[in-house]
Amino acid sequence: SQTIHQWPATLVQPVGSPLSLECTVEGTSNPNLYWYRQAAGRGLQLLFYSVGIGQISSEVPQNLSASRPQDRQFILSSKKLLLSDSGFYLCAWSRIEVRAGLGYTFGSGTRLTVV
Amino acid sequence: GESVGLHLPTLSVQEGDNSIINCAYSNSASDYFIWYKQESGKGPQFIIDIRSNMDKRQGQRVTVLLNKTVKHLSLQIAATQPGDSAVYFCAENTMGYSTLTFGKGTMLLVSP
Repeated sequence: SQTIHQWPATLVQPVGSPLSLECTVEGTSNPNLYWYRQAAGRGLQLLFYSVGIGQISSEVPQNLSASRPQDRQFILSSKKLLLSDSGFYLCAWSRIEVRAGLGYTFGSGTRLTVV
Repeated sequence: GESVGLHLPTLSVQEGDNSIINCAYSNSASDYFIWYKQESGKGPQFIIDIRSNMDKRQGQRVTVLLNKTVKHLSLQIAATQPGDSAVYFCAENTMGYSTLTFGKGTMLLVSP
């Protein structure tokens, strides 16, 4: 069966520090991968998605970047965090045809607090 | 599009009541829809889906209704339980697109 791992679960970082969040998927090949951010009490904002190694689509211009160095690895990064980067970050995967696998499967999320 | 900047609307119900959560979508080309449940501090989880060639689909205690004419989706939860308390999101997809577009979400609060 397929599983998605996302870490760390919580992170407190000072303003101006770098960020690296990692997400890996097991049990499937060539998944679509996604990074979402969710502010407290708000909806889901798509940040990046990838349909293959090295292929990154950015939805929102901001202080973040994403990379996909391996087929089942998706990394969210920042060189210098801002207070506004605080939030709940969710990684998700889907099959190439999103509806074939009943949409997305989400990871357990990372709660990032920038102080 | 995604209404990520708005606070979530809240639906409060008593345990045992039936709950109805509504969602309006904007893209008339969308032909696949999903409802997700997100418990506090966790990632959203799949509840039920429906394709545009159907107008109703039932699962265990949940029913999804699709009205393509007015671009409206609803999730009905029968005999709501405290464990149903969560945020519920609808999502839409158009054939050939790699992403889901999420609705703004509704917080369901179930009191005993």
